[in-house]
Amino acid sequence: QLQLQESGPGLVKPSETLSLTCTVSGGPVTSSSYYWGWIRQPPGKGLEWIGTIYYSGSTDYNPSLKSRVTISVDTSKNHVSLKLSSVAAADTAVYYCARAIRQYYDRSNYYPDWFDPWGQGTLVTVSS
Amino acid sequence: SYELTQPPSVSVSPGQTARITCSGDALPKHYAHWYQQKSGQAPVLVIYKDSERPSGIPERFSGSSSGTTVTLTISGVQAEDEADYYCQSADSSNSYVFGIGTKVTVL
Repeated sequence: QLQLQESGPGLVKPSETLSLTCTVSGGPVTSSSYYWGWIRQPPGKGLEWIGTIYYSGSTDYNPSLKSRVTISVDTSKNHVSLKLSSVAAADTAVYYCARAIRQYYDRSNYYPDWFDPWGQGTLVTVSS
Repeated sequence: SYELTQPPSVSVSPGQTARITCSGDALPKHYAHWYQQKSGQAPVLVIYKDSERPSGIPERFSGSSSGTTVTLTISGVQAEDEADYYCQSADSSNSYVFGIGTKVTVL
């Protein structure tokens, strides 16, 4: 059974870079069928998609975060990483990683990815 | 920016049917997916591609689509279905968007 586990510092100072790791167990990140995504949820608020990556390194980012986000994959460690630079209090959230299922309906077009399963999430607080 | 509109809350008695709507201009072009999030837990996929149910999800969960609105229906609601429910789809540039979430209260 596939499991995902987020890890990283729970407290980050304003203007610094948030760095998180998602360790995948029960299956390889190199599976050709799947992508890997990051989603966040500020306390008491809704979900926000951050970005998605394929094991080849191909990425898609939320335009509102694109200038500050880097998602990468380490196939040797079977994990996916998230870096968010120049953080502010508004970046305080629970950060989730999830497997993304992408289904193509022609050579280059695909349906919106759906996310299943999700990790348990990790709370990151931005504060001095 | 693109938005998916959901009612903030829905209340239902045990055994009754709960219907949660999600509206968006791009929904006729893009499938929607639904997630259940219980208090303090990670979201769980309950419906994908408007109406497909993942394995392990009870049959009382179903989805449908009509024009700019998709609907999640929970038939024969049980106390354990009390949770927040989020729809998710894509905008015209294939960026993913979530609805604001609907809190389902079982009376």
